[in-house]
Amino acid sequence: QQQVKQSPQSLIVQKGGISIINCAYENTAFDYFPWYQQFPGKGPALLIAIRPDVSEKKEGRFTISFNKSAKQFSLHIMDSQPGDSATYFCAANNYGQNFVFGPGTRLSVLP
Amino acid sequence: DAGVIQSPRHEVTEMGQEVTLRCKPISGHNSLFWYRQTMMRGLELLIYFNNNVPIDDSGMPEDRFSAKMPNASFSTLKIQPSEPRDSAVYFCASSKNQPQHFGDGTRLSIL
Repeated sequence: QQQVKQSPQSLIVQKGGISIINCAYENTAFDYFPWYQQFPGKGPALLIAIRPDVSEKKEGRFTISFNKSAKQFSLHIMDSQPGDSATYFCAANNYGQNFVFGPGTRLSVLP
Repeated sequence: DAGVIQSPRHEVTEMGQEVTLRCKPISGHNSLFWYRQTMMRGLELLIYFNNNVPIDDSGMPEDRFSAKMPNASFSTLKIQPSEPRDSAVYFCASSKNQPQHFGDGTRLSIL
């Protein structure tokens, strides 16, 4: 019940295209859903996060869509750029408890 | 603000040697997490502390691994004796409630 599933494992997108990464969870006690971006040789960095009281959050080219009834959330990267090429992790957390991370998606944006 | 600081950034040592990884969390954060990242297993939580007290160490692979947090500004992860299969990138993260902030990791190679 603590698991967070993430798909796809890898994704190749052309420059200017839309990148979509999906995650699903089981534990309805989770109340915070962040996405992390990791470049080679660096630690994961917080990209954007959402709480279950809203269905969508947008920051620049990055949007989280959240479906509470389906227990799913997704990251959309609009106008994808080669600089977006990285590994993306979704995560879920219940206040005061540990974070549970998805297995990651390796995104490659072709120039 | 200074982020999570880990040292060393790289460590290469021979099998059987003791390895000590260090972490300085962000000032004011009350939770600290140690993760291990490999290609095969992804990001694995080893242990986390809340207010310097270990809360969950179920991810520590075996008795060769130990972690301490003697005060709010310092933590160590020790492997003794080290084995080649311990080779990985080890991350420290800290948080005050949500979200987690990661350091840039220690790349450990056991020969």
